[in-house]
Amino acid sequence: AQSVTQLGSHVSVSEGALVLLRCNYSSSVPPYLFWYVQYPNQGLQLLLKYTSAATLVKGINGFEAEFKKSETSFHLTKPSAHMSDAAEYFCAVSGDDYKLSFGAGTTVTVRA
Amino acid sequence: DAGVTQSPTHLIKTRGQQVTLRCSPKSGHDTVSWYQQALGQGPQFIFQYYEEEERQRGNFPDRFSGHQFPNYSSELNVNALLLGDSALYLCASSLTGTGGFGANVLTFGAGSRLTVL
Repeated sequence: AQSVTQLGSHVSVSEGALVLLRCNYSSSVPPYLFWYVQYPNQGLQLLLKYTSAATLVKGINGFEAEFKKSETSFHLTKPSAHMSDAAEYFCAVSGDDYKLSFGAGTTVTVRA
Repeated sequence: DAGVTQSPTHLIKTRGQQVTLRCSPKSGHDTVSWYQQALGQGPQFIFQYYEEEERQRGNFPDRFSGHQFPNYSSELNVNALLLGDSALYLCASSLTGTGGFGANVLTFGAGSRLTVL
């Protein structure tokens, strides 16, 4: 079975500051890891995915995430926050079955 | 290229009623998954359909059922609605066979928001 834990339900950053969203996973098999973003009244959009290739994964909109097996982590970062980054972010994991298991989400607000 | 389309976008039902939600997958995709997202929570896996059969199911009661049609579109049915069924229901499509079980990237629709009174 696979699961993820997102640390912090809400993150507030200033425009131009670093965005860091934390995700730890648990998996009995080598995991596939994903970050999705959800804007108000919309579905989920894939930011990036890790599928056992490079441990540093670059995604859309300037986001990237690093897979650290020793820490069972897959934290999401963006060097400089933009107002348009305000949204809810979900970390998800899948393994040897067909379902995605999502974290509870982290809401990001960006201060001008 | 149209993505995943869901209908209706919003609906209100009363306890005990039945509801049917519909989903058309992204062009070229053959697999449909359904997720329930309660307010303030992450999506929870309901089930996945492939080749018109339920391939895997999450921890949801039998009141939740589905169907996949030959054109890959899908329906989610919920019987005997409870207040706790109020949620955003998300449909996601993917293409099976590209990279193994878990590597398939899901494309999500905007969801159907169900309110049960």
